[in-house]
Amino acid sequence: SYELTQPPSVSVSPGQTARITCSGDALPKQYAYWYQQKPGQAPVLVIYKDSERPSGIPERFSGSSSGTTVTLTISGVQAEDEADYYCQSADSSGTYGVFGGGTKLTVL
Amino acid sequence: EVQLVQSGAEVKKPGESLKISCKGSGYSFTNYWIGWVRQMPGKGLEWMGIIYTGDSDTRYSPSFQGQVTISADKSISTAYLQWSSLKASDTAMYYCARQLAVAGNMGYFDYWGQGTLVTVSS
Repeated sequence: SYELTQPPSVSVSPGQTARITCSGDALPKQYAYWYQQKPGQAPVLVIYKDSERPSGIPERFSGSSSGTTVTLTISGVQAEDEADYYCQSADSSGTYGVFGGGTKLTVL
Repeated sequence: EVQLVQSGAEVKKPGESLKISCKGSGYSFTNYWIGWVRQMPGKGLEWMGIIYTGDSDTRYSPSFQGQVTISADKSISTAYLQWSSLKASDTAMYYCARQLAVAGNMGYFDYWGQGTLVTVSS
């Protein structure tokens, strides 16, 4: 079945920019969404439709898309951004959804 | 206020059946999809399937097709995830989430339940 590929981990210092990628063959056809999950909590949507930011999500979170790769960018990373991040999309026909394997963001 | 409230933690033995629930409130339940997401201990999120609560149209991930059943009772604004014969490998946290539709695309989960921990052990 369809898969999305994310790097297992990304590390940045506070104030720097973190970029988390997600690759999949169907991403040119299907939107990507990003979720943040902190330990012991349910996931929270941080980006929808590749680059839209829900209300209440800080402006430092942004998303972009290029071909078969989408990217979540966190500018001016803060300690509170340390979490697991997951991309989500669907197979090319939009029949079923899929999550990427997740990326653990560490703020050094 | 949109809320999804899931049923409590379960401890079951292999081979037993189980049905967990997710009750929606604060919005028009039958106008949205509800999805289920598995998270095994220390692992990532897995998209299991979704149900349109208005007409019970259901979609499953190939990984979960035939392994679980998703259903809904719109009269009580509740969605369900059930197993007929649990395995130890079903031990996980299960989240329900409301899916917002996106034209021509699979939608995204905008509100999540608190999760139901299912433990399967002999």
